[in-house]
Amino acid sequence: NAGVTQTPKFRVLKTGQSMTLLCAQDMNHEYMYWYRQDPGMGLRLIHYSVGEGTTAKGEVPDGYNVSRLKKQNFLLGLESAAPSQTSVYFCASSTRPSPGGNYGYTFGSGTRLTVV
Amino acid sequence: AQSVAQPEDQVNVAEGNPLTVKCTYSVSGNPYLFWYVQYPNRGLQFLLKYITGDNLVKGSYGFEAEFNKSQTSFHLKKPSALVSDSALYFCAVRGALSGGYNKLIFGAGTRLAVHP
Repeated sequence: NAGVTQTPKFRVLKTGQSMTLLCAQDMNHEYMYWYRQDPGMGLRLIHYSVGEGTTAKGEVPDGYNVSRLKKQNFLLGLESAAPSQTSVYFCASSTRPSPGGNYGYTFGSGTRLTVV
Repeated sequence: AQSVAQPEDQVNVAEGNPLTVKCTYSVSGNPYLFWYVQYPNRGLQFLLKYITGDNLVKGSYGFEAEFNKSQTSFHLKKPSALVSDSALYFCAVRGALSGGYNKLIFGAGTRLAVHP
């Protein structure tokens, strides 16, 4: 019962480097999300996807790109990392909203990224 | 627009005393309300939810929450706090289905510290 798995768990980048964070879920969820968590600001939505091959911008999309080529995977890319992107990143997934459904999200354990 | 407010950055409680973590919300239509808990270096874990029905909702680890429509509140409560309840708590709201997709919006979080 893996649920939502994020890799890597920790990463240190130099300014200007690129990287990709991987999120994988084994619950056959249609919807997936990327959040960043910063002290005092809660969770802010970066991008989300309502199905394979589709993505959409959240509250704070600048500096990030995403792809959902397979239903179970949602990738978050940083093309040119900046110190302002130092944060903890969480991936989540959920079923399609429907009457009588759960409506909640399942979260991964997070990726702690530091950009120096 | 949907929003969630958690007015307290931190709540301090003595072990054995009752605890309350406050949450107010703003949403169009009927709200779907959630509480999540985050332990250090972990992802968010689901505690409880209100979708419809009884205003008092019971969840994991002895927590409960009361939905108050007139005050637009969804406060988290526990009759007797444990030191192990010390964590970061997030309230979240989602609007009811209205033909579009409504995402889960999180509050900034409240840190609960339970002292022996």
